[in-house]
Amino acid sequence: QVTLKESGPVLVKPTETLTLTCTVSGFSLNNTRMGVSWIRQPPGKALEWVAHIFSNDEKSYSTSLKSRLTISKDTSKSQVVLTMTNMDPVDTATYYCAREYSRSRYDYWGQGTLVTVSS
Amino acid sequence: DVQMTQSPSSVSATVGDRVTITCRASQGIGSWLAWYQQKAGKAPKLLIYAASNLQSGVPSRFSGSGSGTDFTLTISSLQPEDFATYYCQQANSFPPTFGQGTRLEIK
Repeated sequence: QVTLKESGPVLVKPTETLTLTCTVSGFSLNNTRMGVSWIRQPPGKALEWVAHIFSNDEKSYSTSLKSRLTISKDTSKSQVVLTMTNMDPVDTATYYCAREYSRSRYDYWGQGTLVTVSS
Repeated sequence: DVQMTQSPSSVSATVGDRVTITCRASQGIGSWLAWYQQKAGKAPKLLIYAASNLQSGVPSRFSGSGSGTDFTLTISSLQPEDFATYYCQQANSFPPTFGQGTRLEIK
């Protein structure tokens, strides 16, 4: 059974760096048909794609956030890590990790983790 | 970025109704479209992929159609558990983008 679970801080201060971890099970990060994406959702707003990583270590980032983001994976631990620097209150959102299947759809999602940016 | 515009933004309906939600892309995306359902406080759930393919385990009252720039999600007979927010998402062009959501409420 496929599961994804996000972990990380619930509160960060402005200008700090956020580090989120997605731990997956039920599939391998080496599977060439699958990747892992991070998608965020500010309270009451729509979904916004943030970044993804694939089995060949190909990485892509949101154009508007690219300068602040790093995504990586540890296949042995079945984990994908997202770091976002210089956090701002507008980055307050629920952050989801999701399995990206055949670069076309997100078929399994984590429960999400609400990150609040406040001093 | 490809802009995805959903209409309506919200709709009120009754159990048993047939409901259609529309998603329009700012440029052609072929059939690279997915639909998701999100209930309050929960993660989105994939309903439809490649515009018209029903994800495994999703009830057959959900269907999708369209190609190019215009797509629809239809719920043939609303059930109480279908009241939620629905999002479309394109995967034809980088970056992947979502619509603004359509909230389906009980009339």
